[in-house]
Amino acid sequence: AQTVTQSQPEMSVQEAETVTLSCTYDTSESNYYLFWYKQPPSRQMILVIRQEAYKQQNATENRFSVNFQKAAKSFSLKISDSQLGDTAMYFCAFMKENAGGTSYGKLTFGQGTILTVHP
Amino acid sequence: GAVVSQHPSWVICKSGTSVKIECRSLDFQATTMFWYRQFPKQSLMLMATSNEGSKATYEQGVEKDKFLINHASLTLSTLTVTSAHPEDSSFYICSAWDRSSYEQYFGPGTRLTVT
Repeated sequence: AQTVTQSQPEMSVQEAETVTLSCTYDTSESNYYLFWYKQPPSRQMILVIRQEAYKQQNATENRFSVNFQKAAKSFSLKISDSQLGDTAMYFCAFMKENAGGTSYGKLTFGQGTILTVHP
Repeated sequence: GAVVSQHPSWVICKSGTSVKIECRSLDFQATTMFWYRQFPKQSLMLMATSNEGSKATYEQGVEKDKFLINHASLTLSTLTVTSAHPEDSSFYICSAWDRSSYEQYFGPGTRLTVT
């Protein structure tokens, strides 16, 4: 079974600064996907960024980038130029590739990190 | 991106009654949908995997007779909380898996309050 660990329950950052959220995972799978999701106060889950394990290049989406260290099983999220709208709970998630059967598309979530951006 | 809707967004029911929550994929067919439960400031807890045309697969510890899941079509899954009790009060979220884009789309959630 897979596990995902986010060791930072809460973090805060000043507007325009950079913050890094940590995530580690444990799996015996070779092929998988990793995700960061954002859940703002509205509680709608929003995909921030996705990383395929077979890709060595770190994924980036505008101000969001990841540091994917496959050997260390680490997948951190860096938010640059933080904005007030980035205030949310952030979840790291794991998904097996081609899980098959009833596990297809099944996500394993970390505990979440509450990020507050201060003006 | 694709849209998943949930209805109702908020429901209050009396203890002992049943309540049904609908999850619809609006612009794609979802053979697999997932139901989660979330308490404030906590992670999403997977309750069950809903597969179109077959029985749902429940996670360990989830009472399948209490949380009935039906996935009768490629765009609709329903979660029925039977004989609801105050401890069932929570935020329920569904998601739909789009095989063509290999992405998961989440509904906006349903807040259930049992009085």
